[in-house]
Amino acid sequence: QKEVEQDPGPLSVPEGAIVSLNCTYSNSAFQYFMWYRQYSRKGPELLMYTYSSGNKEDGRFTAQVDKSSKYISLFIRDSQPSDSATYLCAMSVLRGNTPLVFGKGTRLSVIA
Amino acid sequence: GAGVSQSPSNKVTEKGKDVELRCDPISGHTALYWYRQSLGQGLEFLIYFQGNSAPDKSGLPSDRFSAERTGGSVSTLTIQRTQQEDSAVYLCASSLTRVSYNEQFFGPGTRLTVL
Repeated sequence: QKEVEQDPGPLSVPEGAIVSLNCTYSNSAFQYFMWYRQYSRKGPELLMYTYSSGNKEDGRFTAQVDKSSKYISLFIRDSQPSDSATYLCAMSVLRGNTPLVFGKGTRLSVIA
Repeated sequence: GAGVSQSPSNKVTEKGKDVELRCDPISGHTALYWYRQSLGQGLEFLIYFQGNSAPDKSGLPSDRFSAERTGGSVSTLTIQRTQQEDSAVYLCASSLTRVSYNEQFFGPGTRLTVL
């Protein structure tokens, strides 16, 4: 079992839909959780960061962490065609400089 | 300022040849990471530099892989005697040494194809 599991999709939704992306993990020591967005032929860019359990909202994006279930989610409201990308969850045990453990990524297409 | 840059953007090589991949991190970023992204595998950690030293090389898949960093800046990832399974996108990321969270900034990657 990989440390971080993420359904690779692809996921296709109509414009304006609410999108739910999620990851599960096995290492209970993970404390720092991130979502990266990766457009085709580009490097990943940080979208959301959350420490420990709880919710964090930034515009149309909401990140949720449930450490008791070892489950994290990213919600995208009012999805736009420009949101079409691969979304990768990432996590780490330590706060400082440390390699991240990534999920495989979910490919999302938002259809106009 | 400029982001993380990598060169070449694409590299096609023949099995058995050596390749060198270059990463220029964001100026002032002391930490540098190499990851590999294979089809269906997600990003896999290869090696981490803090300054010029590599405290974590645990992700290097074999002794054919090596990396160095000079002047606390540019890094080179070298793959010797390339194999077809080495075909992947090699991504470099850099971050500041800071007490807050570890935001890693990624370059566009080098797409390596081994024929």
